[in-house]
Amino acid sequence: EVQLVESGGGLVKPGGSLRLSCAASGFTFSSYSMNWVRQAPGKGLEWVSSISSSSSYIYYADSVKGRFTISRDNAKNSLYLQMNSLRAEDTAVYYCASRSLQLRGAFDIWGQGTMVTVSS
Amino acid sequence: DIQMTQSPSSVSASVGDRVTITCRASQGISSWLAWYQQKPGKAPKLLIYAASSLQSGVPSRFSGSGSGTDFTLTISSLQPEDFATYYCQQANSFLQGFTFGPGTKVDIK
Repeated sequence: EVQLVESGGGLVKPGGSLRLSCAASGFTFSSYSMNWVRQAPGKGLEWVSSISSSSSYIYYADSVKGRFTISRDNAKNSLYLQMNSLRAEDTAVYYCASRSLQLRGAFDIWGQGTMVTVSS
Repeated sequence: DIQMTQSPSSVSASVGDRVTITCRASQGISSWLAWYQQKPGKAPKLLIYAASSLQSGVPSRFSGSGSGTDFTLTISSLQPEDFATYYCQQANSFLQGFTFGPGTKVDIK
């Protein structure tokens, strides 16, 4: 079965850090660029970061640049998001998603999401 | 960055109605446009890619059209399971960010 499973969310104080993980199975993870997308409570979807299949290209939304770091380990079929200097406005469900060039860049596989709450 | 807008922000409709949602990009994105459906508490689901191609397993009552800056998603005959929020997304460029539209909520009239 093709799936992505996120983990690592939780409650953290402002200024704190958290590392999210995303485990992939059922497809050739190393062939896909991967992404993090978040959704604040009651709000829309916000693209956060992308990493190419070989980690050669990495991009961030301006809202997280300098605070978040995306990485991947193709040997472990895993994607990561290191989140530092967390703010209340980072509170959201974080989804990992694969991007398919065969589908004109659409995000075709999504995880179930992991909740991050930044609060004192 | 490319900005995406959607209209309407919400629509009330009945089962069997035809529903059309529009999406506009702030600059041309050719056909690098995707549509997603999201139900409460669930992850988004890909419906349409390349502006008009139906993702495998998605009912044929969903269709997409457009190119460049203006796009539409049409549900030809709304079904009870279609009540959800729909998002467009520019899927073209890492450099511009894969921006999502603000969403259109389709609810029961």
